[in-house]
Amino acid sequence: GEDVEQSLFLSVREGDSSVINCTYTDSSSTYLYWYKQEPGAGLQLLTYIFSNMDMKQDQRLTVLLNKKDKHLSLRIADTQTGDSAIYFCAERVNNAGNMLTFGGGTRLMVKP
Amino acid sequence: DSGVTQTPKHLITATGQRVTLRCSPRSGDLSVYWYQQSLDQGLQFLIQYYNGEERAKGNILERFSAQQFPDLHSELNLSSLELGDSALYFCASSRGRYQETQYFGPGTRLLVL
Repeated sequence: GEDVEQSLFLSVREGDSSVINCTYTDSSSTYLYWYKQEPGAGLQLLTYIFSNMDMKQDQRLTVLLNKKDKHLSLRIADTQTGDSAIYFCAERVNNAGNMLTFGGGTRLMVKP
Repeated sequence: DSGVTQTPKHLITATGQRVTLRCSPRSGDLSVYWYQQSLDQGLQFLIQYYNGEERAKGNILERFSAQQFPDLHSELNLSSLELGDSALYFCASSRGRYQETQYFGPGTRLLVL
């Protein structure tokens, strides 16, 4: 079955690194995504990783994928107050269509 | 700005009513997806259209329907509304049918009183 889980909340200090974790259950996932949602706003695509990759880096963002454990993480270096938001991981399920299955979201709070 | 537009931004209506939410995909995108975000269910996929045809169906209620028009914009129709339908409804679009990154619109916040 499809199930994506994330911890609910993370608090860090400005300038520290943040690590947001996600676990998924569908081994046929081909793409995994990270989206950011700021208050009152839509979902902003941050980055994604193909399932045949272990790591992807994009400026301050590093995505790590452990396929064996079905674990995905998003590391934000030098976290800023503007990074405060809800972060969703999502998997693309390898069946008909291109639907995404989302985790419940992790609320990141960055303290000055 | 993702390039996906949704109208209206907010909608307040009463139980039993019917509403229509509209979405315009990014220029050149052929697929449109609808998602519902609620406090108790989180973000759930409702339905996908590709070039005017239904492509995939998720947890969409029978009271809800959608269509995609020749100009590729899409409408989500919600009828016999219940209090539990109050949610944020997102539209997303992608270039093709498969393995395509989805870009989300700002959402329509629906409140059913």
